[in-house]
Amino acid sequence: GAGVSQSPSNKVTEKGKDVELRCDPISGHTALYWYRQSLGQGLEFLIYFQGNSAPDKSGLPSDRFSAERTGGSVSTLTIQRTQQEDSAVYLCASSLHLSTGELFFGEGSRLTVL
Amino acid sequence: KNEVEQSPQNLTAQEGEFITINCSYSVGISALHWLQQHPGGGIVSLFMLSSGKKKHGRLIATINIQEKHSSLHITASHPRDSAVYICAVPNAGGTSYGKLTFGQGTILTVHP
Repeated sequence: GAGVSQSPSNKVTEKGKDVELRCDPISGHTALYWYRQSLGQGLEFLIYFQGNSAPDKSGLPSDRFSAERTGGSVSTLTIQRTQQEDSAVYLCASSLHLSTGELFFGEGSRLTVL
Repeated sequence: KNEVEQSPQNLTAQEGEFITINCSYSVGISALHWLQQHPGGGIVSLFMLSSGKKKHGRLIATINIQEKHSSLHITASHPRDSAVYICAVPNAGGTSYGKLTFGQGTILTVHP
């Protein structure tokens, strides 16, 4: 596609439920990144992919968070047993290569955990 | 982890004024990002720079690697420049320019 696409744009869920957030990067971009923007806490890095592998998962807040990428394209961020503190906007970005630099961001998925 | 400090946190200007936003970081890096986020909108990458200066329209970004400092300038500011401007640097020792530590952002409001 022309840009980075994320879905859903909005998700409201009940505490304890699992959610999946999807990111479709720009075609041909080998690097994909997930960030989180919490109210009052700014942006934080979660995880990145080079191709289908995630060399560094240290940014994930807890073991309830996981992410995968298949076919070097679409990525899914899964949050199990959601908690209220998981409420945030989850942003995905991609770049042509890991060290190319310029990032292209999606519009984000706003998650609200009741 | 790299520590990133932006100043000012809030900035109000009149249309036409010259704007400067500053960013300092704690660990030497190879590149720095300036990002823009409009209210309710997504994030747009303005610049990624590793040395010297870059210019795009009315926006100018400079970086001094030795002093660990970068500035974003807006010339002839306009109300449509009102947004949050965020500085971000790669985490220390990282090889990915996307594994970032973010500044807290500068909220810019430009009045007509």
